[in-house]
Amino acid sequence: GQNIDQPTEMTATEGAIVQINCTYQTSGFNGLFWYQQHAGEAPTFLSYNVLDGLEEKGRFSSFLSRSKGYSYLLLKELQMKDSASYLCAVRDPYNQGGKLIFGQGTELSVKP
Amino acid sequence: DAGVIQSPRHEVTEMGQEVTLRCKPISGHNSLFWYRQTMMRGLELLIYFNNNVPIDDSGMPEDRFSAKMPNASFSTLKIQPSEPRDSAVYFCASSSGLAGAETQYFGPGTRLLVL
Repeated sequence: GQNIDQPTEMTATEGAIVQINCTYQTSGFNGLFWYQQHAGEAPTFLSYNVLDGLEEKGRFSSFLSRSKGYSYLLLKELQMKDSASYLCAVRDPYNQGGKLIFGQGTELSVKP
Repeated sequence: DAGVIQSPRHEVTEMGQEVTLRCKPISGHNSLFWYRQTMMRGLELLIYFNNNVPIDDSGMPEDRFSAKMPNASFSTLKIQPSEPRDSAVYFCASSSGLAGAETQYFGPGTRLLVL
């Protein structure tokens, strides 16, 4: 079966650092995506990892360990606008076209 | 460059009515995905197409749901008859190919309320 776990919600302070974890058990793996979704809006792409290690992109970084079935999204210098839901998604390698399996999302609240 | 376009943005209908949602993918993208999002179930893939051909429709809830992609620039998701439990946000997304790190780009969604 396919299972992706993320914490339901997190709270952090403006200017701080927060780490959002994602663990997955899937029948196959061909990459892990992180998406950001503000309330009432569509998900937007943040990052992609297919090899182990850290990918850094500005204030956001994403880490992957394939052997542990684990990823995290690190947000630095938090801003109020970072309050959103963060979705972890794994790509299924057994379907042409890149089917993604999404976690339930982590609702992040950034407080002043 | 225009992103994924969906219409209508909002739809309120009564139980038993037919609902048709429309999507125009990003030009040049050859994969198209229909998702449904609810508080209870999160973001679920309903069906996706590659080069206008349905590849995986295992997420389509039941026979009341159908999807078509008559050409590379247009797709529809139809619910007939609609039921209150179909109330959700329906997203269409597109991506550029089969392999590699092709990102899915989401449309703004259609917010459906079935009374």
